[in-house]
Amino acid sequence: DAGITQSPRHKVTETGTPVTLRCHQTENHRYMYWYRQDPGHGLRLIHYSYGVKDTDKGEVSDGYSVSRSKTEDFLLTLESATSSQTSVYFCAISEIGNQPQHFGDGTRLSIL
Amino acid sequence: AQTVTQSQPEMSVQEAETVTLSCTYDTSESDYYLFWYKQPPSRQMILVIRQEAYKQQNATENRFSVNFQKAAKSFSLKISDSQLGDAAMYFCAYRSLTQGGSEKLVFGKGTKLTVNP
Repeated sequence: DAGITQSPRHKVTETGTPVTLRCHQTENHRYMYWYRQDPGHGLRLIHYSYGVKDTDKGEVSDGYSVSRSKTEDFLLTLESATSSQTSVYFCAISEIGNQPQHFGDGTRLSIL
Repeated sequence: AQTVTQSQPEMSVQEAETVTLSCTYDTSESDYYLFWYKQPPSRQMILVIRQEAYKQQNATENRFSVNFQKAAKSFSLKISDSQLGDAAMYFCAYRSLTQGGSEKLVFGKGTKLTVNP
């Protein structure tokens, strides 16, 4: 299995609080991604990174920011959490070419 | 922008039987990859099979095979000799090879497969 660790695995927090999710990889892959999964929507891309300090937006980036200061870590931040951001968040990694993306085990985030 | 459509929100199959899950996609590109991922109740995303668009031969992985019809933009997954452990959500995904090298995936909304004993 690809070495991807997401933390925390579960989190419950209140509306308006800041939240940071962490993705850590041991594979030295160039690309890292954050997705959210909601019923009836599949997985949707929030942000991705193609190198240290190189990031770009996905299709549902509003309300989220990311940072990648090291190859192995990709952080997702909700500056002021809202109930609509209650979801399961997945991190994924990949390399260039025909290699597939590998996923972490997900973080279940509940915002009350 | 590319889109992926899975028209069957739910499917069921009897154990040991064969089932086919449908996936269609929309793209103007000629080079891309297609994937099927499985998500069991454990929530893990597990790669089932992948297909390179430039390959005419359909990919096969043990009991899993695809029917890739490039002109029709169709990428169905066939599961033979279904087992109880095949019960899961199945996601079809598309990856462009020309979008600035982002390697990002576009997912369908998923098909929930139930396997009946």
